[in-house]
Amino acid sequence: SQQGEEDPQALSIQEGENATMNCSYKTSINNLQWYRQNSGRGLVHLILIRSNEREKHSGRLRVTLDTSKKSSSLLITASRAADTASYFCATDGQTGANNLFFGTGTRLTVIP
Amino acid sequence: KAGVTQTPRYLIKTRGQQVTLSCSPISGHRSVSWYQQTPGQGLQFLFEYFSETQRNKGNFPGRFSGRQFSNSRSEMNVSTLELGDSALYLCASSVEDTQYFGPGTRLTVL
Repeated sequence: SQQGEEDPQALSIQEGENATMNCSYKTSINNLQWYRQNSGRGLVHLILIRSNEREKHSGRLRVTLDTSKKSSSLLITASRAADTASYFCATDGQTGANNLFFGTGTRLTVIP
Repeated sequence: KAGVTQTPRYLIKTRGQQVTLSCSPISGHRSVSWYQQTPGQGLQFLFEYFSETQRNKGNFPGRFSGRQFSNSRSEMNVSTLELGDSALYLCASSVEDTQYFGPGTRLTVL
């Protein structure tokens, strides 16, 4: 399977703290994306990082990518209760951007 | 622009029946992909349609099929439903490398 894995599976933090989630994948990629999902609803696109990029920022989000280790991390700074959700990384596996392989997800709980 | 819409949002069927789910992409998006999400297998790619043609297909049995219409709206069909088909079915439309997901259809097979 080309599915990635995320670590940790679950994370619980206090509001205002930073949350870091890690993703490992198995094949070469063109890009890696992070998505958020609230309680079994649709996925919300957060950020895309290309294989030739090492770091990308968007608001309170910081994503890093290490293609030599086939890993990525998502940092959410100054977390809020509204950040409580499941977070997934997704790779294209170089088969095409519209065929995504998702990680297992990290369940983040931010305690007010 | 309006987001991706999926209908129905919830569906209950019994084993052996068939079901059709619908997805309307964001205006201007020509690619529609379908995914199945279950607690055990996570998010898995079903298939992708572009300009009414299936462009990619995941590792699912032939009971799962789809089509795309000239207005880019897509349907997926599951025949001879099994208990294991209970899942959240998500569709996504895309432009360039980013996929935008709909709210999903929750299918329960009894």
